[in-house]
Order: sequence, then C-alpha cells, then structure tokens
Amino acid sequence: GDSVTQMEGPVTLSEEAFLTINCTYTATGYPSLFWYVQYPGEGLQLLLKATKADDKGSNKGFEATYRKETTSFHLEKGSVQVSDSAVYFCALSDLGGSQGNLIFGKGTKLSVKP
Amino acid sequence: DTAVSQTPKYLVTQMGNDKSIKCEQNLGHDTMYWYKQDSKKFLKIMFSYNNKELIINETVPNRFSPKSPDKAHLNLHINSLELGDSAVYFCASSPDGLNTEAFFGQGTRLTVV
Repeated sequence: GDSVTQMEGPVTLSEEAFLTINCTYTATGYPSLFWYVQYPGEGLQLLLKATKADDKGSNKGFEATYRKETTSFHLEKGSVQVSDSAVYFCALSDLGGSQGNLIFGKGTKLSVKP
Repeated sequence: DTAVSQTPKYLVTQMGNDKSIKCEQNLGHDTMYWYKQDSKKFLKIMFSYNNKELIINETVPNRFSPKSPDKAHLNLHINSLELGDSAVYFCASSPDGLNTEAFFGQGTRLTVV
C-alpha cells in the first residue's frame, strides 16, 4: 500500500541555519504531496503542496519540489527562526492507493534555538 | 470564524465509559474525516465520510462509531473506553476527498484513566 517515509527527529538547529527534512513516498497511482505543520498544542496546518511532477510548493520561506524520479518531496528552508519550532509531517493523497485520503509520515520534530 | 471546530478540546474519563466528540465544518466541504494521533505523533485515518456516506473504515474497533447527521457535521462516539484509546483525535474536511488537502480541527485530547 501507499506509504510515506520521513527522516526521524528530533532535529535541533540554531536560528538562521539551513533546514532540510527528507521525505520519500511509495504510491500506487499519481499522488498529490503535502507538508503539514503542527505547532505545540495545535492542530495540523497545511504548509505547502504539489500536485504533479516538478511542481514546487512554497510558503513562509519553506519549499519542496515533487520529484517523481526519486519519489521524494524534501522540505527546505534557507534560514529557520525560533518560531518554526514544530512537528512537520509529509503526506500524500492518492486516488489509487489511499482512495484520496491523506497518508502521513511519522513526523519530524524541529527545535530551533536562539 | 473557525473552519473546522471540534469539542471538547480535552476529555478525561474512566475506563468503560461512553463518550462523544463533536465536529463541525463551515467550509461547505463534501468529505470529512477522523484521524487518531498516538503518543508518538503518528497520524492514522479512522473514518472518511463523503456527503454523509461512510467511505472508509480503517480496521477501527466497532466500539468507535461515526455519525454524520448532515455533511457539515461528523461526530465520533466511543463505547466502553479502554486505556489504549487515549490519544488526540482530529477531525478534518476536504472539498471532495480527491487528492486535495484536508483542513484540520484543533484536536481533542482524550485521556482514559
């Protein structure tokens, strides 16, 4: 079945450091890909998405590119802030394998120190 | 004006009790979901409802029963609560459930003692 694998955390960075969180997927069909963010004590918020190969999703300085050849959707940010501390989830939605429902990775906790 | 709202935010109850969590969305979406997040933050879908019809039941114990009185509401009723049911439960909705993003509520932290 469909699955998402993302790098295990926690990830601890200093402010203004470069961030990469790796995400790879396995899908039956042609999925849409998402990054969600969960701040402490809150629900999930959509951070960015991409619906076809080579699409780049971007929001709040975060970027991820849909790479079909490597089945990857890695999250990057050039300069993290303390306020970016949260848990980040990679997810896919695939009509073929997941019937359109979101399948999540296990989440990566990011802590940014001043 | 909250898009997906669920109540209560916290729920502490004893084993064996029956409890309900309510969810409402004002986005006009056709599809609603319940997800369970365990203590390690892992999220797994429990139910999906499209326009009041159950689409998926991901091997959830039948003590859990979703009820959708209309397409804007999806409630979760849990019978005979067990310690292992302790988790955060998220309600979500999406426009049509077809490879589109979902919008999540704030979560209900259920603690069974």
